[in-house]
Amino acid sequence: DAGVTQSPTHLIKTRGQQVTLRCSPKSGHDTVSWYQQALGQGPQFIFQYYEEEERQRGNFPDRFSGHQFPNYSSELNVNALLLGDSALYLCASSTGPGGGSYEQYFGPGTRLTVT
Amino acid sequence: GNSVTQMEGPVTLSEEAFLTINCTYTATGYPSLFWYVQYPGEGLQLLLKATKADDKGSNKGFEATYRKETTSFHLEKGSVQVSDSAVYFCALTFTGGGNKLTFGTGTQLKVEL
Repeated sequence: DAGVTQSPTHLIKTRGQQVTLRCSPKSGHDTVSWYQQALGQGPQFIFQYYEEEERQRGNFPDRFSGHQFPNYSSELNVNALLLGDSALYLCASSTGPGGGSYEQYFGPGTRLTVT
Repeated sequence: GNSVTQMEGPVTLSEEAFLTINCTYTATGYPSLFWYVQYPGEGLQLLLKATKADDKGSNKGFEATYRKETTSFHLEKGSVQVSDSAVYFCALTFTGGGNKLTFGTGTQLKVEL
């Protein structure tokens, strides 16, 4: 049973560029959440996708956007990169918001470095 | 808003020592509580959970009890091993909240021989 997978593993970008990160949820899961984990900090919720729509959003600017595909996989896009966007980006999957399971399964993350 | 506060690390222990990592929360209502563990270079793994007051979550020798009266969810293990060295995160979420997790800042545990 494949768990949550993310790609790429590492990424180096320059300020002002755009980046796309990808996530495939655990089999049987239909909800994907994205988190940003700065060095030495706990993960911060960015947004959540369910049924191809953004259902919840944390305190992140519009430069952060996402998408969910019919197969439940998801992308996180960040435009106009800033040095402060350097972090580990974690994807987590779960059953739907009304599915009754509170457990989220996390992928290994994508380490983004902005120079 | 909701928040989670953890004791600062790093916590350094000798193998077979007793571990306690403190976690308290602030929330309106009664959240579900979790401990996640992050090994070096990896993502987060769910360690244990408790969904209502007085529930005790347990896994791999770790335990935590949901204390509503003190809004706490302290992590304990009776005898730590070197392989337990990792960063531990306390987190909460709410029923109907879409499973959005609010995390503490994490506590690094180092276990030495």
